[in-house]
Amino acid sequence: AAGVIQSPRHLIKEKRETATLKCYPIPRHDTVYWYQQGPGQDPQFLISFYEKMQSDKGSIPDRFSAQQFSDYHSELNMSSLELGDSALYFCASSNSYEQYFGPGTRLTVT
Amino acid sequence: KQEVTQIPAALSVPEGENLVLNCSFTDSAIYNLQWFRQDPGKGLTSLLLIQSSQREQTSGRLNASLDKSSGRSTLYIAASQPGDSATYLCAVSGANNLFFGTGTRLTVIP
Repeated sequence: AAGVIQSPRHLIKEKRETATLKCYPIPRHDTVYWYQQGPGQDPQFLISFYEKMQSDKGSIPDRFSAQQFSDYHSELNMSSLELGDSALYFCASSNSYEQYFGPGTRLTVT
Repeated sequence: KQEVTQIPAALSVPEGENLVLNCSFTDSAIYNLQWFRQDPGKGLTSLLLIQSSQREQTSGRLNASLDKSSGRSTLYIAASQPGDSATYLCAVSGANNLFFGTGTRLTVIP
């Protein structure tokens, strides 16, 4: 069965650079969620989209923005990167109760 | 804000033992509860989902229960195996996102 696809899987950036993470949901899933998991921490909700509209917002910094496109894929844009942004970023998709998670993108900021 | 706590934080058991992982949450107004498994540095694998109207779900050697009124869930693992070693996370669903617990790191000793 098709799963959630995230790209890239690994990304290394320097401080103050920008990064774009991509998420391709499971076909026919209309909702996308983004989570950030810092080292040794539990995943924290950032933002979600339903039918291309933002549906909820969590602890997403103002330096980050995201959107969902007409084909339902989503992109998380991160600017002015800081060392503390180093984390595993998960995307999840859903069309009902259950969220299905992608493998994550590991972002390292040096 | 919903707070999710998991006890114990870490657990080591000999192979073959049955074990119980605990999860508690502060706001009983949840849509559902999911249990995930996470291997080090890897993604989240959904194990079981219990909808708010259900009391338990079973999958193979796993059984999860939900007591919404008391804000508690348990994950029972029967006949543990070394391959079960991982971090187990519970997450409760709000309207548009998941609130994750702190996780229990399980080690099954051969």
